[in-house]
Amino acid sequence: GDSVTQMEGPVTLSEEAFLTINCTYTATGYPSLFWYVQYPGEGLQLLLKATKADDKGSNKGFEATYRKETTSFHLEKGSVQVSDSAVYFCALSDLANDMRFGAGTRLTVKP
Amino acid sequence: EAGVVQSPRYKIIEKKQPVAFWCNPISGHNTLYWYLQNLGQGPELLIRYENEEAVDDSQLPKDRFSAERLKGVDSTLKIQPAELGDSAVYLCASSLGEDTQYFGPGTRLTVL
Repeated sequence: GDSVTQMEGPVTLSEEAFLTINCTYTATGYPSLFWYVQYPGEGLQLLLKATKADDKGSNKGFEATYRKETTSFHLEKGSVQVSDSAVYFCALSDLANDMRFGAGTRLTVKP
Repeated sequence: EAGVVQSPRYKIIEKKQPVAFWCNPISGHNTLYWYLQNLGQGPELLIRYENEEAVDDSQLPKDRFSAERLKGVDSTLKIQPAELGDSAVYLCASSLGEDTQYFGPGTRLTVL
């Protein structure tokens, strides 16, 4: 079945460092791809999404590009802030809108 | 616009007791989902409703879990009896058809 594999954490960076969180997927069709973020004590919030190959999703300085040839959707940010500390989940949804989530990557940004 | 509302936010019960979680989706969202999130893992779908019909409940442990969505709006997820292994966060999400899912804050269940 469809699945998502994302980089294991935790990831610890200094403020203004460059962030990459790797995400690869396995799917039989052409899924939509998502990054969700979960701040402490809160539910998942949609960060960005891409619905077809070569689409780039972006929000709050974060970007991810849907790469069909490498089945990847890596999350990047050029300069992280302390407020970006959270758990990041990569996910895909198929035609039936069934979501499959990765295990999550915890990011801690230190001042 | 109000987001997905869940209550309670936290619940502590003893094993073998019943427990219920409530979810109010975003107004107008006809599709509602219940997910289970174990510590350190991503959410896993338990059940999906389209309006009042459960269209995917294949991952719901039906011996002890039940859910309902009366009138196609609010939904309740129940566990009876609860077991130690049910300790987790229960997330509700809603969407307009097959569009993006929006999540509530979750209910953190602790079974002692």
